[in-house]
Amino acid sequence: QKEVEQNSGPLSVPEGAIASLNCTYSDRGSQSFFWYRQYSGKSPELIMFIYSNGDKEDGRFTAQLNKASQYVSLLIRDSQPSDSATYLCAAPKAAGNKLTFGGGTRVLVKP
Amino acid sequence: GAVVSQHPSWVICKSGTSVKIECRSLDFQATTMFWYRQFPKQSLMLMATSNEGSKATYEQGVEKDKFLINHASLTLSTLTVTSAHPEDSSFYICSARDPARFTDTQYFGPGTRLTVL
Repeated sequence: QKEVEQNSGPLSVPEGAIASLNCTYSDRGSQSFFWYRQYSGKSPELIMFIYSNGDKEDGRFTAQLNKASQYVSLLIRDSQPSDSATYLCAAPKAAGNKLTFGGGTRVLVKP
Repeated sequence: GAVVSQHPSWVICKSGTSVKIECRSLDFQATTMFWYRQFPKQSLMLMATSNEGSKATYEQGVEKDKFLINHASLTLSTLTVTSAHPEDSSFYICSARDPARFTDTQYFGPGTRLTVL
């Protein structure tokens, strides 16, 4: 089992809809989780991080963490064509250490 | 804040030559930097962890004599690809952790695209 797993997609959503991305992890000791967005040919950029159970909102993005079920999700509200990218979920192997990345979910927002 | 730069953004070299890539944290001091490699349509692959003032820690399968990493200051880490070959052609990305922020967060540089002819 991979340490951090994501559905590779592509996840196709119409413009204005909600895109829902999921990520599961195997290490129950993981305390924090990160979502990065990567456009084709570019490097990843941080969207947000979450370390408490529940929801965390930042603009059109909401991260949700459920440690009991070992999953973290990202919701993108009012999806725009500019949101079309690959979204990477990541968790540190240990506190203050390197990140383990999922394979990424490709999102396509169609006008 | 938390801006990371890389230089060059792209480089083309002949097989057998060495290429140096610089990674700089512009507005913070980074005690730890990371080097990744990404092939087309694949995910990030961590190559090594670079700690200021000490030797880099390489991931399994990464040749430390081929990929030389130096983290001589709190704002600069360099990756040198020695005796580059066409199979080394890839997108190399560095990241840095800002100890003043949430400690596990990594901020990525824009990447360097290496093409070896």
